[in-house]
Amino acid sequence: KNEVEQSPQNLTAQEGEFITINCSYSVGISALHWLQQHPGGGIVSLFMLSSGKKKHGRLIATINIQEKHSSLHITASHPRDSAVYICAVPPEGSQGNLIFGKGTKLSVKP
Amino acid sequence: EAGVAQSPRYKIIEKRQSVAFWCNPISGHATLYWYQQILGQGPKLLIQFQNNGVVDDSQLPKDRFSAERLKGVDSTLKIQPAKLEDSAVYLCASSLNPSNTGELFFGEGSRLTVL
Repeated sequence: KNEVEQSPQNLTAQEGEFITINCSYSVGISALHWLQQHPGGGIVSLFMLSSGKKKHGRLIATINIQEKHSSLHITASHPRDSAVYICAVPPEGSQGNLIFGKGTKLSVKP
Repeated sequence: EAGVAQSPRYKIIEKRQSVAFWCNPISGHATLYWYQQILGQGPKLLIQFQNNGVVDDSQLPKDRFSAERLKGVDSTLKIQPAKLEDSAVYLCASSLNPSNTGELFFGEGSRLTVL
């Protein structure tokens, strides 16, 4: 069993739809990272969170430490949101090494 | 604020040749990571530096890969000799603190093709 699992693996949406990407993990953590990777591009950090909820523009990230689950939401999705979204966690006791999920490939159609 | 700079962006070499990648992290960031991302897979940590010391290099293939961060600022990653399976994107990332408390900032990556 992977230590970080994301769902769905692939997601196709129509422009304007509300998107949810889920991440579950099995290790103890102090923080969780949501990252975005465009095709052929580098990785951009979207959020780092350790509790509750964070919002940045149309993006919202939530985390439930007790349930070991996090969600990334995109409101009013747009084709430019098309990318791979990656959840990554540094396990407790690590010195910062991240365990990455396999990513969710999002495609938003106009 | 300048981001993480990497060069070259693209490199094509033949197997058994050598290659070096350079990374300049965000000013003041003590932690620097090199990741290898093979097409279709998630990033895999090669080495993590804290200032100029190595924190974790357990997954670095030391027979052919080497990395240094001599002055605790920029870093180089070298592959010598390269193999076909080294074809990947090499990502450099930096953070003020290790990622259990610090946000990560990634460079654009260096895409290596080994023929």
